[in-house]
Amino acid sequence: DGGITQSPKYLFRKEGQNVTLSCEQNLNHDAMYWYRQDPGQGLRLIYYSQIVNDFQKGDIAEGYSVSREKKESFPLTVTSAQKNPTAFYLCASSIVPGQETQYFGPGTRLLVL
Amino acid sequence: KQEVTQIPAALSVPEGENLVLNCSFTDSAIYNLQWFRQDPGKGLTSLLLIQSSQREQTSGRLNASLDKSSGRSTLYIAASQPGDSATYLCAVADSSYKLIFGSGTRLLVRP
Repeated sequence: DGGITQSPKYLFRKEGQNVTLSCEQNLNHDAMYWYRQDPGQGLRLIYYSQIVNDFQKGDIAEGYSVSREKKESFPLTVTSAQKNPTAFYLCASSIVPGQETQYFGPGTRLLVL
Repeated sequence: KQEVTQIPAALSVPEGENLVLNCSFTDSAIYNLQWFRQDPGKGLTSLLLIQSSQREQTSGRLNASLDKSSGRSTLYIAASQPGDSATYLCAVADSSYKLIFGSGTRLLVRP
């Protein structure tokens, strides 16, 4: 089955801790994206990558970091600098940036202990 | 800065009714417009994508229109069913291909 997987489904972060959210795709897509969704709101772009070993900041990149060492994988680290990390995080991919629809994973809900 | 607005924020209709969801955007220089569906606690599913040169797209009971000059799009759902209950999100792609999302319309179709 082709698709996007995100893990874990739920993640708990302690004060001052860095946590990493996993995103993997087997669709052979070049572009990958990370979004944050807060209750009752639309999605906001955190980071995106159009090709391996390259990525750009989105609208709310502060307190987050990413890597793109493999085409299939685009992990997101929520650092201790992100003071309000509680949200629903969604990963997406597309064949080429912008020209086709984006396919979304099932999401990771991050909660702060 | 591009802003996307969706009205209404929530909508409740009886089963079988035809309905229209609205999306407006402030900058007409878009690359495409997409409509997504989101079920509670889940990811997004793409419904329709309209390129900037197109006026509408249809898929089954869904029809989406685009009027770039007025900065508006509508999603028409015919003969609504309880299974259509979800949040519907509109997003526009800007010149750098980034998607800017509206906050969604939460739809409830009552049996």
